[in-house]
Amino acid sequence: EPEVTQTPSHQVTQMGQEVILRCVPISNHLYFYWYRQILGQKVEFLVSFYNNEISEKSEIFDDQFSVERPDGSNFTLKIRSTKLEDSAMYFCASSGGLPNNEQFFGPGTRLTVL
Amino acid sequence: AQSVTQPDIHITVSEGASLELRCNYSYGATPYLFWYVQSPGQGLQLLLKYFSGDTLVQGIKGFEAEFKRSQSSFNLRKPSVHWSDAAEYFCAVALNNAGNMLTFGGGTRLMVKP
Repeated sequence: EPEVTQTPSHQVTQMGQEVILRCVPISNHLYFYWYRQILGQKVEFLVSFYNNEISEKSEIFDDQFSVERPDGSNFTLKIRSTKLEDSAMYFCASSGGLPNNEQFFGPGTRLTVL
Repeated sequence: AQSVTQPDIHITVSEGASLELRCNYSYGATPYLFWYVQSPGQGLQLLLKYFSGDTLVQGIKGFEAEFKRSQSSFNLRKPSVHWSDAAEYFCAVALNNAGNMLTFGGGTRLMVKP
């Protein structure tokens, strides 16, 4: 069964450093998403990506964040200068489009900013 | 803005007992409604979804949910809980079925007593 994969499973970084979280969505999917979950809090939407551009983003997704689909298979989330409050579990998801637009989630990357 | 409330943070049931997890949403129109389950160390797996039509929807693993427009609710039920059902359950809504972001509730952690 096809699945969304994410690497690394856990990343530890120093405050102010850049991190890139990587995702491989399901191969024939058209929509891609990033969500995050700070420990003990809700899963929060960050950004959605369709047709090689951002289609929707939340207030969390400020100028420090960017997304890219560099090679037609990977989907990356970059945080330019990490802050302590960026520590969270980051989930990638993908969906195939209408009519059954179920979002399939990856296992997550736990980001710890020290 | 849409919001999702899961009033119960923790629920403990005995194996074999019935289960109902509550979910209420706030939105002007009928959104698309989902239940996801997250086992430790795993991503989010879709249990079931409601888009339109029959208000009682069946999902995987023996779960069902009923959409009640008058109560803005989408409660998840299972007639007989198994120990393997212990996990965190998330209700979520989307505005449409075309790549729109999911808004999640805070989650309900289910524990199953032997």
